[in-house]
Amino acid sequence: GAGVSQTPSNKVTEKGKYVELRCDPISGHTALYWYRQSLGQGPEFLIYFQGTGAADDSGLPNDRFFAVRPEGSVSTLKIQRTERGDSAVYLCASSLNSDGELFFGEGSRLTVL
Amino acid sequence: GNSVTQMEGPVTLSEEAFLTINCTYTATGYPSLFWYVQYPGEGLQLLLKATKADDKGSNKGFEATYRKETTSFHLEKGSVQVSDSAVYFCALGTNTGNQFYFGTGTSLTVIP
Repeated sequence: GAGVSQTPSNKVTEKGKYVELRCDPISGHTALYWYRQSLGQGPEFLIYFQGTGAADDSGLPNDRFFAVRPEGSVSTLKIQRTERGDSAVYLCASSLNSDGELFFGEGSRLTVL
Repeated sequence: GNSVTQMEGPVTLSEEAFLTINCTYTATGYPSLFWYVQYPGEGLQLLLKATKADDKGSNKGFEATYRKETTSFHLEKGSVQVSDSAVYFCALGTNTGNQFYFGTGTSLTVIP
């Protein structure tokens, strides 16, 4: 596609449920990043993939959060046993060679009731 | 550690006014510095970048100079337009290339 695509754009769920957020990066981009943005804050790093492997997952807040990128393209961020504090916009970005020009999707807004 | 502090908003300016949005950073090593912009209803996009001290990034009339002595990367534009209304994020990239730290964003509104 022309840009980074994220689905769903909006997700409302109940506390305790499982959620998956999908990111389809720009074709050929080997680096993929997940960020979380709360209201009035800047993006907060969660995890970085180089190809299929998670090169840095130090930003994942706890073991309820997990992300995969099995074929080095599409990535899925998985959140188990969601909590109200997980409510935020989850941003995905890709980069050709992790040189700093990140191409962001429009984000998935997650609301946990 | 690595962090970015940027000027709090919101900022409201009249068209053709001069814009400065301050950004300072703390970093280990030799980071790259960026300004990203988010227009209403759109994703973040790179506005400009500088990869080493004294470099000046520029794009769309915006400029920022990487000042190592003051650990700053202030964004400036000589004459803002209504179409510049957006949220601006200062960001730092580590020299390992895999971590980017963002400021909290500064909302700019330009009125005709």
